Amino acid sequence: ILNVEQSPQSLHVQEGDSTNFTCSFPSSNFYALHWYRWETAKSPEALFVMTLNGDEKKKGRISATLNTKEGYSYLYIKGSQPEDSATYLCAENYGQNFVFGPGTRLSVLP
Amino acid sequence: EAQVTQNPRYLITVTGKKLTVTCSQNMNHEYMSWYRQDPGLGLRQIYYSMNVEVTDKGDVPEGYKVSRKEKRNFPLILESPSPNQTSLYFCASSRQGWAYEQYFGPGTRLTVT
Repeated sequence: ILNVEQSPQSLHVQEGDSTNFTCSFPSSNFYALHWYRWETAKSPEALFVMTLNGDEKKKGRISATLNTKEGYSYLYIKGSQPEDSATYLCAENYGQNFVFGPGTRLSVLP
Repeated sequence: EAQVTQNPRYLITVTGKKLTVTCSQNMNHEYMSWYRQDPGLGLRQIYYSMNVEVTDKGDVPEGYKVSRKEKRNFPLILESPSPNQTSLYFCASSRQGWAYEQYFGPGTRLTVT
């Protein structure tokens, strides 16, 4: 079973701050890296799917980068807003299996 | 509306009483999957299905069964539930597996006493 790690486990930032967190995964036999956003009492929602080394994706104020050679991905949030408060999950594919990290819980204080 | 539905949303049952959690998607997706989420742990994959009549084990398949007789449905069966299967369960689907984003159902909170 692969081990996908995320750091930090949680963080609190002030509204307007920019922040980033890390997803680390085994780099051998890499297929794809997914990011999901999970708000309390809701279901996870997809943010990005990245497959190529050097991939960069952006959706509004949120962006992500991928380094498959060293086995990490960064998620960036620019100008955090209270509605960005959620748990951010990453998941690696190996074959058709998904292995999720434990998530980073972000709280944005107004 | 494109969606994944699960039923029931909440269930309290007793040890050993067989139960089924249904999952249905209306997006004509090939790939469907079941996950469980426990405190302190990430989502863990139980089973997945690449297409009709094609299923395979995820990381934590013990104590569960699945079937995929139709593309839209992917029920999760607990033949003899035990307390360690108390968890929050999510069904998800995607167009074709690993390269595509997954759409998650609303979740089923199961308690086995």
